[in-house]
Amino acid sequence: EAGVAQSPRYKIIEKRQSVAFWCNPISGHATLYWYQQILGQGPKLLIQFQNNGVVDDSQLPKDRFSAERLKGVDSTLKIQPAKLEDSAVYLCASSLLASIELYSGANVLTFGAGSRLTVL
Amino acid sequence: KQEVTQIPAALSVPEGENLVLNCSFTDSAIYNLQWFRQDPGKGLTSLLLIQSSQREQTSGRLNASLDKSSGRSTLYIAASQPGDSATYLCAANAGNMLTFGGGTRLMVKP
Repeated sequence: EAGVAQSPRYKIIEKRQSVAFWCNPISGHATLYWYQQILGQGPKLLIQFQNNGVVDDSQLPKDRFSAERLKGVDSTLKIQPAKLEDSAVYLCASSLLASIELYSGANVLTFGAGSRLTVL
Repeated sequence: KQEVTQIPAALSVPEGENLVLNCSFTDSAIYNLQWFRQDPGKGLTSLLLIQSSQREQTSGRLNASLDKSSGRSTLYIAASQPGDSATYLCAANAGNMLTFGGGTRLMVKP
């Protein structure tokens, strides 16, 4: 089975510019996640979708970050305007189970390779 | 708010050593705890998942234990190999959110 695809792999921009990342999850996976991983830290959840609805976006800086998952498949994460502290790897993950089934403890997330953003 | 801490942050060992990576979490009300491996420039690969009702899980040379009451998990790697060099992350699942630790960077020298 194909994995989680992300693009671009690398992006360098100046502060105050905008950038967009794209994620194509594994076919049939109901839940999609965007994580931000700053160098030397663990991933932090930005937003979680179930199909095309938002389950959790409590840690998404909504003044500059936005995300959508049209048609419940692909997703895009946008940053506008970017700040220096947004330099990080943006990881997309997907899981087969719907979010409510995560309570069963059986859910396994499949991660993409990530998109590395450098803001100068 | 769940906080997950991993110690040590970095570890360098000679090939063949047995080693232990530590993970602690502040909120013991978790459904499971997962250990992931991350190679440079790659995504995360799930290694082991321990349900809250379990004490340990094993996969090959890896053994993960969970003590919910004390908020601790350990990942034991037996007979380490250079191919084990990577960053190891633990993540506590408190429902619909995984909270990750900062990771342990492991270097196994030939």
